[in-house]
Amino acid sequence: DTEVTQTPKHLVMGMTNKKSLKCEQHMGHRAMYWYKQKAKKPPELMFVYSYEKLSINESVPSRFSPECPNSSLLNLHLHALQPEDSALYLCASSQVVARSNTEAFFGQGTRLTVV
Amino acid sequence: QKEVEQNSGPLSVPEGAIASLNCTYSDRGSQSFFWYRQYSGKSPELIMFIYSNGDKEDGRFTAQLNKASQYVSLLIRDSQPSDSATYLCAVKEGLSGSRLTFGEGTQLTVNP
Repeated sequence: DTEVTQTPKHLVMGMTNKKSLKCEQHMGHRAMYWYKQKAKKPPELMFVYSYEKLSINESVPSRFSPECPNSSLLNLHLHALQPEDSALYLCASSQVVARSNTEAFFGQGTRLTVV
Repeated sequence: QKEVEQNSGPLSVPEGAIASLNCTYSDRGSQSFFWYRQYSGKSPELIMFIYSNGDKEDGRFTAQLNKASQYVSLLIRDSQPSDSATYLCAVKEGLSGSRLTFGEGTQLTVNP
């Protein structure tokens, strides 16, 4: 089973709204990632969690706030977003971060539209 | 210089032909190399990974790695229209092993 589940699949939110994206995996992976992908561009790394601790923040604006409540769950809290934040948000997971030879599996993504 | 570069597309091949996708990377310490397939509007799907120099075959797919030349490729034999997608080359850095860097992708179209 290489399933990473993201909810919701689609989200439309206003610039004053607060919403959260959720990601869940049951593969025992201890590294989880958030990526952002704009149309016709590759995924861009936002955050990496390793053993439930934030290990990489790629200088993401504070209106994006990640949270890793346990080893299976990853959330991305959204507040005061801008229309340019509209994108496909992808969650991924992989085995132990310290080893390079680990494949990352992606969820189906959340298509976010900020109006 | 971009960290991961892919041959610019789009690439169009007839059904049954071999599609060849190429990728170069700049970090000589990179250890892990991945090919993802992404259909329009969908998320990336891992189709091949390779860690050692040489060839790795899985069905119609062959990944080739040459660390000395910092080059990785994907060959798709007997291409099918269902192979039409964007193919993303991804490289994992050697130190922390945590950051997966993607190339811009190559759009492949297989014509019936």
